Amino acid sequence: KAGVTQTPRYLIKTRGQQVTLSCSPISGHRSVSWYQQTPGQGLQFLFEYFSETQRNKGNFPGRFSGRQFSNSRSEMNVSTLELGDSALYLCASSLARGRTDTQYFGPGTRLTVL
Amino acid sequence: KNEVEQSPQNLTAQEGEFITINCSYSVGISALHWLQQHPGGGIVSLFMLSSGKKKHGRLIATINIQEKHSSLHITASHPRDSAVYICAVGSNTGNQFYFGTGTSLTVIP
Repeated sequence: KAGVTQTPRYLIKTRGQQVTLSCSPISGHRSVSWYQQTPGQGLQFLFEYFSETQRNKGNFPGRFSGRQFSNSRSEMNVSTLELGDSALYLCASSLARGRTDTQYFGPGTRLTVL
Repeated sequence: KNEVEQSPQNLTAQEGEFITINCSYSVGISALHWLQQHPGGGIVSLFMLSSGKKKHGRLIATINIQEKHSSLHITASHPRDSAVYICAVGSNTGNQFYFGTGTSLTVIP
């Protein structure tokens, strides 16, 4: 089975722009979770989608949003980018809900905001 | 206040040594996860456990729910074990996922 894929792998944007990141889960996995990783804050949970519904959300502003499609692929959107949004964005998929199931991580999208 | 605390932050070991990484958490959990992150960013899930002990090759993970503590042990460490090990918990209230700050392990040949 193919692993979790994320596109693009690298992205450079300027402040104020918006960005959309994509995640394709392992075939058959219904849960996709998104995480932000920065040197200062480490890994932080953004949100989880399961069966096209957002099931929970971390402590991030409303500029961060996402969605999941019927084929379980997920997109994450960040609007009005700030310098502090520069980070590695990781998605992970699992068969069941991510809190209680083994998660398979993608390689990440490295976002740089200038 | 960090919901998940790991120790040590950094660890250097000689090849062959027995290694222990500790994780303490302060929230009620559905499950605890141990993750491994190599340079370059890729993350691999090593264990998910909610009670007792699990073993996979040279890696052993234990959890004590009453004490809210988990340990990851690596027996006969090898340079390829050099990575950052991260403890994460899925809380059973609020549906949140919390991460420790990670333990950077370097195994010297």
